[in-house]
Amino acid sequence: KAGVTQTPRYLIKTRGQQVTLSCSPISGHRSVSWYQQTPGQGLQFLFEYFSETQRNKGNFPGRFSGRQFSNSRSEMNVSTLELGDSALYLCASSLTNGQYEKLFFGSGTQLSVL
Amino acid sequence: SQKIEQNSEALNIQEGKTATLTCNYTNYSPAYLQWYRQDPGRGPVFLLLIRENEKEKRKERLKVTFDTTLKQSLFHITASQPADSATYLCARCLDSNYQLIWGAGTKLIIKP
Repeated sequence: KAGVTQTPRYLIKTRGQQVTLSCSPISGHRSVSWYQQTPGQGLQFLFEYFSETQRNKGNFPGRFSGRQFSNSRSEMNVSTLELGDSALYLCASSLTNGQYEKLFFGSGTQLSVL
Repeated sequence: SQKIEQNSEALNIQEGKTATLTCNYTNYSPAYLQWYRQDPGRGPVFLLLIRENEKEKRKERLKVTFDTTLKQSLFHITASQPADSATYLCARCLDSNYQLIWGAGTKLIIKP
């Protein structure tokens, strides 16, 4: 069974640009969560999608958005990039993201904003 | 706000010894805690989950304890090996919507 796939693996952008990251969850998983990870910081929750609906959202500005497609694949978009957006963006999938469920993570997309 | 704290300093352990990592949380006891391992440039990998009503959970050389009085979880690796070197993350569950709040992780270095 294939794991969670994130593309691209690395991205370099300049301030003001926008970026789209992609995540393909494990087959059969309907929940996809997105996290931002910076050195020394814990994973910061961005948002979670289940069956194409955003169920939960973290405390990030509106420049961060996402969506989920009918095949459970998900994308997140960051508009008007800032230097502080440089981070590892991780996608995690689970069956339903219910209680006691573990998350399966992709390898992440390393975004550098210059 | 509900926080979770892990020792930010790297932990250096001699091969063969037991490594113990700490995870402290504030405010209310979480319904459960999860522990993950993260290698450089990779996403976290699930290791163990311990529920609020469980004192201890084991999996091979791994053991997790949960002390609701101390508001603390301890993660032990016995007979540690250099391959155990990684960053270990703990996460607590929010009661309402099962979202996880993550600690910053503790880097574990096992020296041969």
